[in-house]
Amino acid sequence: EIVMTQSPGTLSLSPGERATLSCRASQSVSISYLAWYQQKPGQVPRLLIYGTSSRATGVPDRFSGSGSGTDFTLTISRLEPEDFAVYYCQQYGTSPWMFGQGTKVEVK
Amino acid sequence: QITLKEAGPTLVKPTETLTLTCTFSGFSLSTNRVAVSWIRQPPGKALEYLALIYWDDDKRYSPSVKNRLTLTKDASKNQVVLTMTNMDPADTATYYCGHSDLMRIAAGRSGGVDVWGQGTTVTVSS
Repeated sequence: EIVMTQSPGTLSLSPGERATLSCRASQSVSISYLAWYQQKPGQVPRLLIYGTSSRATGVPDRFSGSGSGTDFTLTISRLEPEDFAVYYCQQYGTSPWMFGQGTKVEVK
Repeated sequence: QITLKEAGPTLVKPTETLTLTCTFSGFSLSTNRVAVSWIRQPPGKALEYLALIYWDDDKRYSPSVKNRLTLTKDASKNQVVLTMTNMDPADTATYYCGHSDLMRIAAGRSGGVDVWGQGTTVTVSS
């Protein structure tokens, strides 16, 4: 199985700041098969980014994804109050489709 | 519109077998290149991918639960059933099922689990 490791565990930022979240895979992942999800407290996870850099329907363009091989990044250009949440990366190119352990973006 | 809903017991005893049903609408598991996943999340912890069943009845399981987990589908009822044996308090979690459109994924128009059920909470306790 491919192990996904996210860093940092927690990111403390203020609204308006830029957030950079990292996701590292234990082996190479096709850029076609890397996704990011957002989960707010008490809510169901929501698909945010797929194919490394494509935004899902309705996702604001302040969210962007990049990366290749084993290193991937989710960037939120300017944090809005509704963006404070937990973010998970997932590879879905090889079964099982493993998730990272999540990065919590919290208000500083 | 695609929807999924999980159903099953909220409380099971240690060593018992858990059976959860995912009932969905808006797609068919008889349709080419569609899949349903099961994912769980212990309280306050991360998402854990459990298993996937494909339209052609192929199944893939996470090694962490492979010996205890079985997925079956009933395409006529639009249901996927998860059966997990020998439940332990560590299996206490919210269990989600989710939809994946493998054709759209292959075309680069979607990814991963694009629609999730609301989740069902299962507590394992005597």
